Amino acid sequence: DVKVTQSSRYLVKRTGEKVFLECVQDMDHENMFWYRQDPGLGLRLIYFSYDVKMKEKGDIPEGYSVSREKKERFSLILESASTNQTSMYLCASNIMGRSGYSNQPQHFGDGTRLSIL
Amino acid sequence: GQNIDQPTEMTATEGAIVQINCTYQTSGFNGLFWYQQHAGEAPTFLSYNVLDGLEEKGRFSSFLSRSKGYSYLLLKELQMKDSASYLCAVLDSNYQLIWGAGTKLIIKP
Repeated sequence: DVKVTQSSRYLVKRTGEKVFLECVQDMDHENMFWYRQDPGLGLRLIYFSYDVKMKEKGDIPEGYSVSREKKERFSLILESASTNQTSMYLCASNIMGRSGYSNQPQHFGDGTRLSIL
Repeated sequence: GQNIDQPTEMTATEGAIVQINCTYQTSGFNGLFWYQQHAGEAPTFLSYNVLDGLEEKGRFSSFLSRSKGYSYLLLKELQMKDSASYLCAVLDSNYQLIWGAGTKLIIKP
């Protein structure tokens, strides 16, 4: 089974802090994703990566950055945390398709519930 | 704009059948996914439809009509453990996933 592991289930930080969320997958997947999930809204894509050192902005990248130095690890960084970044953050991964695109299911970690005070 | 609509909440009785609908308007279509998410847990993959018709997987079935922009997830012989949110997501022309807000399914004894 694919295992996607997020470093923390719960995290409390203060406004202005730099926050790091870590995600590791063990199935050699090319694609990795960071989403946030808020009540009443669908999952919103923050950033994704299709290869080491490659990143693409999603729908809501403002206030976030990412790092992918190794294939199995994808980090989300909140440069200067703000209260409106309080949310559930989900990491996911999937296999790249032959065409460079993927219609394969994404596999998710258990999420990090982040509170910014 | 791109839009996925599904009911916010549904209630059903243990042992019964429930149908969760999803309608979509997206720029292009490369398939539709259903995921299950128990409270406080990760979404888990249930089904993928790219062609019209019904696909059955045990107690769960998923239906797609591309011409109508419509899908449903059918859950039979409901069990208490089926209480969860069910997320519909469409892969658009750029192979980006567009997510619905999810349907919270409550199962009563």
